[in-house]
Amino acid sequence: EIVMTQSPATLSVSPGERATLSCRASQSVSSNLAWYQQKPGQAPRLLIYGASTRATGIPARFSGSGSGTEFTLTISSLQSEDFAVYYCQQYNNWPPRITFGQGTRLEIK
Amino acid sequence: QVQLVQSGAEVKKPGSSVKVSCKASGGTFSSYAISWVRQAPGQGLEWMGGIIPIFGTANYAQKFQGRVTITTDESTSTAYMELSSLRSEDTAVYYCARVVVVAATYNWFDPWGQGTLVTVSS
Repeated sequence: EIVMTQSPATLSVSPGERATLSCRASQSVSSNLAWYQQKPGQAPRLLIYGASTRATGIPARFSGSGSGTEFTLTISSLQSEDFAVYYCQQYNNWPPRITFGQGTRLEIK
Repeated sequence: QVQLVQSGAEVKKPGSSVKVSCKASGGTFSSYAISWVRQAPGQGLEWMGGIIPIFGTANYAQKFQGRVTITTDESTSTAYMELSSLRSEDTAVYYCARVVVVAATYNWFDPWGQGTLVTVSS
C-alpha cells in the first residue's frame, strides 16, 4: 500500500498570506495525485487533479505542483473561506488501491 | 453535471449489516466508476472500494475484503454499499463519489455525495 504523509498536521496562517501544504508518497505515484478541501459538516471537494490541474470552478489562487513522491498545494492570498482541512490522494495503482493522506488543517492565525 | 444523493442516516446493532444507496443524476451512469469512502468521527478519509458499472466488477480495499459489497443498478442509476458484521469502529460518515475513469483505471473523485452517517451501537 502506498502511504501518503501530509505536513504539517496543522498550519496557522493569516488571511491574505500564502499557505504551502506538503504531501509525500512512500513510492512514486507519477502525477496521479489529487487534492481535496473539506469544511466541517461537508463532503470533500476536488481542488486539483493530475498534481497540478485545477478542477472546474476552483479559483486561481489554488495551485498544485510536484511529481513522483513530493507534492505541494499552494494557496496564495488566503481568503476566509479557505480555512478548512485539505487531503491529498493518490490513484496510481491498478487494481485500485487508493489512499489518502491524513489531512492538514488550515486555521486562521 | 453529475449529482449524487445518498440515503439517510442509519443506526445499527453490532453484528448486523447496513446498505447505503447513492443515486446519480446527470451524465451517463455506466460510463464512470463509483467509489465509497468513509470518515470516522474526527478522522481522515478511507477508501473502501469502487465499481465501474459497465464492467460490473468491484474492487475493494484489502481492509474491507469479505465484509463490503458494492453493487449498482443501472436501471435506476443507483450504487449501493453494503457492510456486514458491523462493529462500533464502523461508526462513520460514508460517502459515495464519482470516479473519473481513464483507460479503465480509477482517477480522481468528483463530485461526492452528501454523506450518510452510520452509527453502530448496542
